[in-house]
Amino acid sequence: DAEITQSPRHKITETGRQVTLACHQTWNHNNMFWYRQDLGHGLRLIHYSYGVHDTNKGEVSDGYSVSRSNTEDLPLTLESAASSQTSVYFCASSDGSGEVNEQFFGPGTRLTVL
Amino acid sequence: GQNIDQPTEMTATEGAIVQINCTYQTSGFNGLFWYQQHAGEAPTFLSYNVLDGLEEKGRFSSFLSRSKGYSYLLLKELQMKDSASYLCAVMDSNYQLIWGAGTKLIIKP
Repeated sequence: DAEITQSPRHKITETGRQVTLACHQTWNHNNMFWYRQDLGHGLRLIHYSYGVHDTNKGEVSDGYSVSRSNTEDLPLTLESAASSQTSVYFCASSDGSGEVNEQFFGPGTRLTVL
Repeated sequence: GQNIDQPTEMTATEGAIVQINCTYQTSGFNGLFWYQQHAGEAPTFLSYNVLDGLEEKGRFSSFLSRSKGYSYLLLKELQMKDSASYLCAVMDSNYQLIWGAGTKLIIKP
């Protein structure tokens, strides 16, 4: 069965360190997204990609970067982790060509920056 | 600015019916989504409305009024497993999803 996975599921790091969160999907979807979810806020879009070598900034992109070298993967990098980046991070993908285009979510990564 | 409003928390009784409302103001409209999210888990897709009216899917129904910027999710014959957060999201003119903060639904026996 097709799926979307994230690793690690939990991560504790220190302020100033570089951190990379992995996202891998086997749906063969063109569209991939990274969100963060914090209490009292809706999901907020960090970066997104509509295909290989395409990346775009979302609402809260400062301090984050992504790259898309193949269809399956969209790793998210925190260049210099800050305590404000403590959050739960979700990766999602969608087909982009259907009528509904619902997004399918990975299980999430809980990141703590100390 | 863009805004999605939904109640923070609701409580209902097992076997009953509950309606979760969502109002929105967005730049453009390309559909409204409802997702379910159990605590500690990923959101999962429930329903999609792009035209006015009611979409029914088993115990769950979703309604949309584009002129009023309003939607609701109706859950019938509530079960304990329906205890979760319900997220409303609107696809705007740039085909980006704008998300509400979610409604935490507590089901009591």
